[in-house]
Amino acid sequence: NAGVTQTPKFQVLKTGQSMTLQCAQDMNHNSMYWYRQDPGMGLRLIYYSASEGTTDKGEVPNGYNVSRLNKREFSLRLESAAPSQTSVYFCASSEVGGEKLFFGSGTQLSVL
Amino acid sequence: GQQLNQSPQSMFIQEGEDVSMNCTSSSIFNTWLWYKQDPGEGPVLLIALYKAGELTSNGRLTAQFGITRKDSFLNISASIPSDVGIYFCAGQSFQGAQKLVFGQGTRLTINP
Repeated sequence: NAGVTQTPKFQVLKTGQSMTLQCAQDMNHNSMYWYRQDPGMGLRLIYYSASEGTTDKGEVPNGYNVSRLNKREFSLRLESAAPSQTSVYFCASSEVGGEKLFFGSGTQLSVL
Repeated sequence: GQQLNQSPQSMFIQEGEDVSMNCTSSSIFNTWLWYKQDPGEGPVLLIALYKAGELTSNGRLTAQFGITRKDSFLNISASIPSDVGIYFCAGQSFQGAQKLVFGQGTRLTINP
């Protein structure tokens, strides 16, 4: 099983550019998440989708939008990238209960 | 929002030594979790704790759910080179079931 697959693995953007990070899971999980990881800050929740058709804001949603395309796929969009969005982004999925997260391998994003 | 304070932030030890790290919160959590992140990968769940006072082992790893429900501890015995990585604690509350709160991480480095 592939688990949680994220693309791309690396991306460099200029300030103001837009892009979409893709995520897909093959574990039939209902819930999916987007986190960002910054040095000394741990993992912070951007958005999550408890089930297909629903999305909710996490701790740091400003500057991002998400789409739960179907049960397998959950994308994260940066409409106008800013240097403050330079980070490593992780997608995750979980079973019912939401505590046992399965993470993808991450996207390293640099905004110049 | 809720915050977890994880300590130490980094550890440099010799192979074979035991390791201890902890996580504290100003809020009560009903579930405590410990994840490990290898370089270039997403975090992987090590141990989940569901009851105050609970002590759970996974091989050389032992974690405890503090009796106040505001802290948790992780011990690694007889460290080996593959233990290198970043260890994160995470808490889940009843109110924010889908929103795990992560600590800042403990970076473990092992000298062979």
